[in-house]
Amino acid sequence: GNSVTQMEGPVTLSEEAFLTINCTYTATGYPSLFWYVQYPGEGLQLLLKATKADDKGSNKGFEATYRKETTSFHLEKGSVQVSDSAVYFCALSGGSGNTGKLIFGQGTTLQVKP
Amino acid sequence: DVKVTQSSRYLVKRTGEKVFLECVQDMDHENMFWYRQDPGLGLRLIYFSYDVKMKEKGDIPEGYSVSREKKERFSLILESASTNQTSMYLCASSLSGTAQKLFFGSGTQLSVL
Repeated sequence: GNSVTQMEGPVTLSEEAFLTINCTYTATGYPSLFWYVQYPGEGLQLLLKATKADDKGSNKGFEATYRKETTSFHLEKGSVQVSDSAVYFCALSGGSGNTGKLIFGQGTTLQVKP
Repeated sequence: DVKVTQSSRYLVKRTGEKVFLECVQDMDHENMFWYRQDPGLGLRLIYFSYDVKMKEKGDIPEGYSVSREKKERFSLILESASTNQTSMYLCASSLSGTAQKLFFGSGTQLSVL
């Protein structure tokens, strides 16, 4: 079945460092891919998405490119801030029809130190 | 501002109790979902509903049931709570269709003693 694998965390970086969080997926057909972020004490919120191969999603300085040939959707940011400290989840659309359910990876905790 | 509201932020229950977790959305969304979040396991889908009175099992439905009598409300029921159901429970909603954005509530941290 469909699945998502993320790099193990936690990831600890200094402010202004470059961030990469790896995400690979297994899926049949042509899923859409997402990154969600969970700040401390809050629910998840959509960070960015891509709906077809070679699409790049971007938001708040974060980017991810849908790579079908490597089945990857790695999250990147050129210069992280302390406020980016959160848990990041990669996800793909799963199932058929219009159910809209998502399959999530295990999450990667990012801690940014000043 | 769009909102998904979960009735409790923290809940403590005893083994064997019947537990109700309530979720309400104000966006007229067709789809509603219940996930549980556990460290190292990410989010796992328990049940979802794509219309009033409709429900489908997710990946881990055992020990749970759901109710959707009104479009805006989706309830998760633990018929007889067990300690392995101690977890963070997240409700979400979305419009129908694929690749739709999910809106999440803040979660309910349930402890079963």
